[in-house]
Amino acid sequence: GAVVSQHPSWVICKSGTSVKIECRSLDFQATTMFWYRQFPKQSLMLMATSNEGSKATYEQGVEKDKFLINHASLTLSTLTVTSAHPEDSSFYICSATRVESYEQYFGPGTRLTVT
Amino acid sequence: QQQVKQSPQSLIVQKGGIPIINCAYENTAFDYFPWYQQFPGKGPALLIAIRPDVSEKKEGRFTISFNKSAKQFSLHIMDSQPGDSATYFCAASATGTYKYIFGTGTRLKVLA
Repeated sequence: GAVVSQHPSWVICKSGTSVKIECRSLDFQATTMFWYRQFPKQSLMLMATSNEGSKATYEQGVEKDKFLINHASLTLSTLTVTSAHPEDSSFYICSATRVESYEQYFGPGTRLTVT
Repeated sequence: QQQVKQSPQSLIVQKGGIPIINCAYENTAFDYFPWYQQFPGKGPALLIAIRPDVSEKKEGRFTISFNKSAKQFSLHIMDSQPGDSATYFCAASATGTYKYIFGTGTRLKVLA
């Protein structure tokens, strides 16, 4: 149990376009989902926390207008990178938790390359 | 105060050895400490987690030692295998936020 999927697993887009990444909890209801960004050989950096039906809470320094997060249901959260630039190229990982649970279940990640 | 300091940055051990990875924190509000294993190009996978009310927890070949007074915790991997070669992250979380603060990671290589 506690499987989280992400789609796509990798994506290449041109500079200036927008990209949407989906995060789904497959066998449980995720009251909270987290979005992380990871650069090569670095740690995971929390970008935002999203709760179903409410606005995401962004970490300091993360542009909310650039990284749009929607948590429309208890099994789906999406991250849209708007007007992507090469510096947005990174590994994006989501995680999901059950209600009032500490355990975060991570998705397999999405590799974004902006050319 | 929100940081979790992890060491060493990298570690090489022989097969069968016991690598030890250490983490330290400052925020006394942290009350949940998980360890994650990550292979290249994959998402992190939970290995084991501990709360401050116990000093040690074992799950298979993985053991967490926790020192509440020193605000330190460590991961021990018994009888390490080449398949354990990965990056290991410690993290800390506090009741109410459930956000993780991750350590900087340790790249472990187990030689055959």
